[in-house]
Amino acid sequence: TQLLEQSPQFLSIQEGENLTVYCNSSSVFSSLQWYRQEPGEGPVLLVTVVTGGEVKKLKRLTFQFGDARKDSSLHITAAQPGDTGLYLCAGEYGNKLVFGAGTILRVKS
Amino acid sequence: NAGVMQNPRHLVRRRGQEARLRCSPMKGHSHVYWYRQLPEEGLKFMVYLQKENIIDESGMPKERFSAEFPKEGPSILRIQQVVRGDSAAYFCASSLTGTPNTGELFFGEGSRLTVL
Repeated sequence: TQLLEQSPQFLSIQEGENLTVYCNSSSVFSSLQWYRQEPGEGPVLLVTVVTGGEVKKLKRLTFQFGDARKDSSLHITAAQPGDTGLYLCAGEYGNKLVFGAGTILRVKS
Repeated sequence: NAGVMQNPRHLVRRRGQEARLRCSPMKGHSHVYWYRQLPEEGLKFMVYLQKENIIDESGMPKERFSAEFPKEGPSILRIQQVVRGDSAAYFCASSLTGTPNTGELFFGEGSRLTVL
């Protein structure tokens, strides 16, 4: 079983649509990170959320950390083909950063 | 300011051969992590190293896999007697600070191992 559960696993939408992806856990995290990975590349950090209830915005992307620090969401407004990729959430667990299985997003033009 | 450098980018091995994957962290980073990824899946933690020390190897298979990060030179992930199931992308990441408060991980572009 995954420590961090991400949903949906796969999302295919049309350009201009909005979407939300989720990262859930039964464990409390001091912080959660979101990464984006394009095919053939390594993941790149998008944001770190630290405070329960925190909301961070990065252009069309809005990240939220749950009040209990067990879950997070990523909302994309007016998705574009360039948003296509694998979105991964990650949290510190013991001596390491663990990742969810990811959400594959495909935005069609 | 070079990022995390991994080589080779692609490696093909026959069953039973050895695979050596190298990772040079970002300048000034002494914390290195290795992850394994299957196509369109998330990253599975393998091992966390600091210079000359293995901090956490809880994700490493008990046999055939080993990792090191010597005082000088890159970190090496070594897979002996490879089997087809070892075929995957292996990513290295480095960070300025280790746990707790790991901060941002900077990833290399990965090494893609194919076992024939």
